[in-house]
Amino acid sequence: TQLLEQSPQFLSIQEGENLTVYCNSSSVFSSLQWYRQEPGEGPVLLVTVVTGGEVKKLKRLTFQFGDARKDSSLHITAAQPGDTGLYLCAGNTGGFKTIFGAGTRLFVKA
Amino acid sequence: GAGVSQSPSNKVTEKGKDVELRCDPISGHTALYWYRQSLGQGLEFLIYFQGNSAPDKSGLPSDRFSAERTGGSVSTLTIQRTQQEDSAVYLCASSLVSGTRRAGELFFGEGSRLTVL
Repeated sequence: TQLLEQSPQFLSIQEGENLTVYCNSSSVFSSLQWYRQEPGEGPVLLVTVVTGGEVKKLKRLTFQFGDARKDSSLHITAAQPGDTGLYLCAGNTGGFKTIFGAGTRLFVKA
Repeated sequence: GAGVSQSPSNKVTEKGKDVELRCDPISGHTALYWYRQSLGQGLEFLIYFQGNSAPDKSGLPSDRFSAERTGGSVSTLTIQRTQQEDSAVYLCASSLVSGTRRAGELFFGEGSRLTVL
């Protein structure tokens, strides 16, 4: 059974702080996505990583795919209240089924 | 349409009733997915369509759940004899590509929140 474990489950920080969220699995994925979800809305795709060791930057967000393509991390620099939300990682093995982690709920206080 | 559209956005029903949830994917997207999200939880895969075919229905929780897709477009998820544990947000997503390394790039609707009393 493929599982994606995210940590921490919940994170509450002050504006301006840095944070890292982790996504781990024992399975190898052909691609991994990070999504952000706000209350009452569906998840919105942030990034896709496909190559082991790949690093992608999206403004203050840095995403890394592990060398073995089993894990990933999301680092946010100088968090802002607008970053508040549920961050979900999702993995795909190249077929049709994309599985999601349980998410990390981030709250950034002003 | 411009995005994935789901209806109804909210549904309150009594235990034992049947409900039907509708998803209208992004035009041209051949892949369509249904997920379920319980309060504060991640997404549970239910079923996937490629065109009108559903290669894997093993994610459906029980035989009370069924889904169909017609014309390679609109999909309906039907829950018969609803139970309280069916209460959740049902999310639909569509994708332009499948079977590739970018197959996980899904575009989601806002979901249908189902409450079974």
